[in-house]
Amino acid sequence: QAVLTQPASLSASPGASASLTCTLRSGINVGTYGIYWYQQKPGSPPQYLLRYKSDSDKQQGSGVPSRFSGSKDASANAGILLISGLQSEDEADYYCMIWRSNTWVFGGGTKLTVL
Amino acid sequence: VQLVESGGGLVQPGGSLRLSCAASRFIFSDSYMSWVRQAPGKGLEWVSSISSSNTIYYADSVKGRFTISRDNTKNSLYLEMNSLRAEDTAVYYCARDSGLGWGQGTLVTVSS
Repeated sequence: QAVLTQPASLSASPGASASLTCTLRSGINVGTYGIYWYQQKPGSPPQYLLRYKSDSDKQQGSGVPSRFSGSKDASANAGILLISGLQSEDEADYYCMIWRSNTWVFGGGTKLTVL
Repeated sequence: VQLVESGGGLVQPGGSLRLSCAASRFIFSDSYMSWVRQAPGKGLEWVSSISSSNTIYYADSVKGRFTISRDNTKNSLYLEMNSLRAEDTAVYYCARDSGLGWGQGTLVTVSS
């Protein structure tokens, strides 16, 4: 079982909100980790969006709109990237990442379609 | 933050390649630097990292074959890749700190 699991795809309408999940493998407690989120558009490198560990320990990427926000669902052992007021330009792949034992572990990515 | 990778190309299985990443517009010597790769049509895979104090980490998939290094006098990061395999084919990105900045990537193709 992968350390981080993301749904392969998600579709949402312009103006709506999208909740992208990053589920940690059983036995790995989401509360322990800061969850990093990146956006990648076709043909471009990933771009840092934000880091979320708790409401008092979080960081927004430089120039990243506030409609991108992070949270956690402890009951689901998951990190969440919430994108509100979806725009066509938000259509992209989204990856979560954690630092674990001095390594970076990425989720498999979620392809977000805005239609 | 500006990161510019170079050195990618076509190489035969078992061959070697050295990637470089030129950094500018931030204090390179204080930064934790990493290589991340992305196989065609696939997700991101962490390869290796080097701290500002030269502590080094590798993914199991490249340990013993790849060597990361840095030259703070040249604001440059390197990845020496030996015994290359077809599964090493990917775009290789250098990244700063926790992925706060990424280069455009350089394509490595391992094929006969």
